Amino acid sequence: AQTVTQSQPEMSVQEAETVTLSCTYDTSESNYYLFWYKQPPSRQMILVIRQEAYKQQNATENRFSVNFQKAAKSFSLKISDSQLGDTAMYFCAHTNFGNEKLTFGTGTRLTIIP
Amino acid sequence: SAVISQKPSRDICQRGTSLTIQCQVDSQVTMMFWYRQQPGQSLTLIATANQGSEATYESGFVIDKFPISRPNLTFSTLTVSNMSPEDSSIYLCSVEASYGGQGTQYFGPGTRLLVL
Repeated sequence: AQTVTQSQPEMSVQEAETVTLSCTYDTSESNYYLFWYKQPPSRQMILVIRQEAYKQQNATENRFSVNFQKAAKSFSLKISDSQLGDTAMYFCAHTNFGNEKLTFGTGTRLTIIP
Repeated sequence: SAVISQKPSRDICQRGTSLTIQCQVDSQVTMMFWYRQQPGQSLTLIATANQGSEATYESGFVIDKFPISRPNLTFSTLTVSNMSPEDSSIYLCSVEASYGGQGTQYFGPGTRLLVL
């Protein structure tokens, strides 16, 4: 069974600083997808970034980038120039190719301090 | 991206009653999913709803408790039946949309349910 582990329940960082959220996963498949979702207090789940396992290049979306280490099964999220609006729960998620089911980690609560 | 709406956004219900949650998408999608997020917890998949077939339930979830309808490619309902306080959660629907890349799901705003 797939598992996704987020070992940092809470983090806080000063506005404009850089923060990295950790995620590890376990799968026996070689082709899969990884995601980071953001859930602000409004509770809307928002897709932040997506990574395809067969692509060696790390995905980036503006201030958000990932460090994907396939051999280590690690998928961390880096937020640069953090903003107050980045305050939210962040969930790491995994799905195998052709499976469609997302497995979520337990989440990291990130607080950006003014 | 797809616009997904849910009704109601929140509700307070008495134990023993049932609540039907609606999920509407502004475009046709093949795959729709229903998740539960208990207070302070992560998301757990309840079932996958495909149009024209029975929903596929995950371990620990049964059709009698969480009946699902999927009458067309833009709409689905989840009913929480014979509710107890343990059913107090946020219920979210999601859709898989190819424009986001294979396997990518987009979520509705959620329905916050409190059972007294």
